[in-house]
Amino acid sequence: AQTVTQSQPEMSVQEAETVTLSCTYDTSENNYYLFWYKQPPSRQMILVIRQEAYKQQNATENRFSVNFQKAAKSFSLKISDSQLGDTAMYFCAFMEYGNKLVFGAGTILRVKS
Amino acid sequence: GAGVSQSPSNKVTEKGKDVELRCDPISGHTALYWYRQSLGQGLEFLIYFQGNSAPDKSGLPSDRFSAERTGGSVSTLTIQRTQQEDSAVYLCASSKWEEHNEQFFGPGTRLTVL
Repeated sequence: AQTVTQSQPEMSVQEAETVTLSCTYDTSENNYYLFWYKQPPSRQMILVIRQEAYKQQNATENRFSVNFQKAAKSFSLKISDSQLGDTAMYFCAFMEYGNKLVFGAGTILRVKS
Repeated sequence: GAGVSQSPSNKVTEKGKDVELRCDPISGHTALYWYRQSLGQGLEFLIYFQGNSAPDKSGLPSDRFSAERTGGSVSTLTIQRTQQEDSAVYLCASSKWEEHNEQFFGPGTRLTVL
C-alpha cells in the first residue's frame, strides 16, 4: 500500500520569508501524481500544486514550488515570500493510476507578522 | 461557477441514530469522491463514483456505511447506527473524468456523535 509521510507536524515562518515543508512517499509504481493541498480553518481543501511523476521538471505556481526527487521518493513544498494568508494545514497527497488520493498526516504552517 | 457543496455543514447526532450527508458536485463532473478526516485516522478515502456506479468502495470502514449517487449528480453518504468513532469531517470532492487528478473539494460536513 502506498504511504505518505509528513515528518513536520508544525512549522512557523516569519512573513516574507521562505519555508519548506517535507514529504516522502512509498510506492512501487512508476507513474503517479503528487499534490500539495492547503486546508485553512474554513476546512476547504485547496489544491496548491501538483506534479506528474514522469515529468522531471519541478512544478511551480507563483510563490509555490516543489522539489521532486523521484529516486528518493521525496516531494517538498517551498513557499516563498510567505503571507499571513498562507497560514493553514498543508497536506501532501499521492495518486497512482486510479482515482483515490492518499494523504499524509499534514503540517500546520503558521505565518507570523 | 459554483463549487462543490455539502450539507449539512454540521451535524450532531446521538449514538445509534442514522445520518445522511449530502454532496452536490460541480456541474459536469462525472467523478465524485468521499473522504473522511478524523483526529485518529487523518484523511482517508472512503468511496469513489464514476457516474452512478462505484468502482471503488474499498475505504468504507464497515457495512454501516453506504453511499449512492443518482442522476450522475448528487451523492448521499449514509451512516447507520452511528458510533462515537464515526465523529469526523466528511469531505466530498468531484472531478471531470478525464482530469481525475484535479479533484475539487467541498467544505465538508462535521459529524459529531454523542
